[in-house]
Amino acid sequence: DAGVTQSPTHLIKTRGQQVTLRCSPKSGHDTVSWYQQALGQGPQFIFQYYEEEERQRGNFPDRFSGHQFPNYSSELNVNALLLGDSALYLCASSLERGLSAAFFGQGTRLTVV
Amino acid sequence: KQEVTQIPAALSVPEGENLVLNCSFTDSAIYNLQWFRQDPGKGLTSLLLIQSSQREQTSGRLNASLDKSSGRSTLYIAASQPGDSATYLCAVKPSYNTDKLIFGTGTRLQVFP
Repeated sequence: DAGVTQSPTHLIKTRGQQVTLRCSPKSGHDTVSWYQQALGQGPQFIFQYYEEEERQRGNFPDRFSGHQFPNYSSELNVNALLLGDSALYLCASSLERGLSAAFFGQGTRLTVV
Repeated sequence: KQEVTQIPAALSVPEGENLVLNCSFTDSAIYNLQWFRQDPGKGLTSLLLIQSSQREQTSGRLNASLDKSSGRSTLYIAASQPGDSATYLCAVKPSYNTDKLIFGTGTRLQVFP
């Protein structure tokens, strides 16, 4: 049983560019959440997708947007990248909007230069 | 506003010791609490999930307890091994209707031979 998979694993972008990160949830999971983890910090909630809709959003600007597809996979898009967007981006999947345990992928390390 | 704190921030112990990691949260009205392990630069591995109605959960050498009234959870690791070296994070799901997990900043554990 494949767990949560994220791609790419590493990415380097230039300030002002746009980036798309991808996530495939654990088999059978229907809910995908995205988190940003800065170095030495705990993950911070960006938003959650369930039934192809954004259900809740953390304290992140509109430059951060997402999408969920009918197969429950998800994308995170970040526009107009800033140096401060450099972080590990984690995708988590769960059942029924997080009522069950959350399972995380290995993350995408984004570096903005 | 729910805040999660983990003490100590770092811990170094010799192999074989039993140890306790602490997690405290400011609002006792939580839905569940989850403990994770994170290896350097990697994603999160779910260790234990405790529902708000439960007092503890056990998995192998790990035991997690929850005291909602005092806003505390502890992760007990028995007979520690060098392979246990990692950062341990706790996260609370504030309510049934809240999708996000709120994380502490973690305890970085090193177990030396």
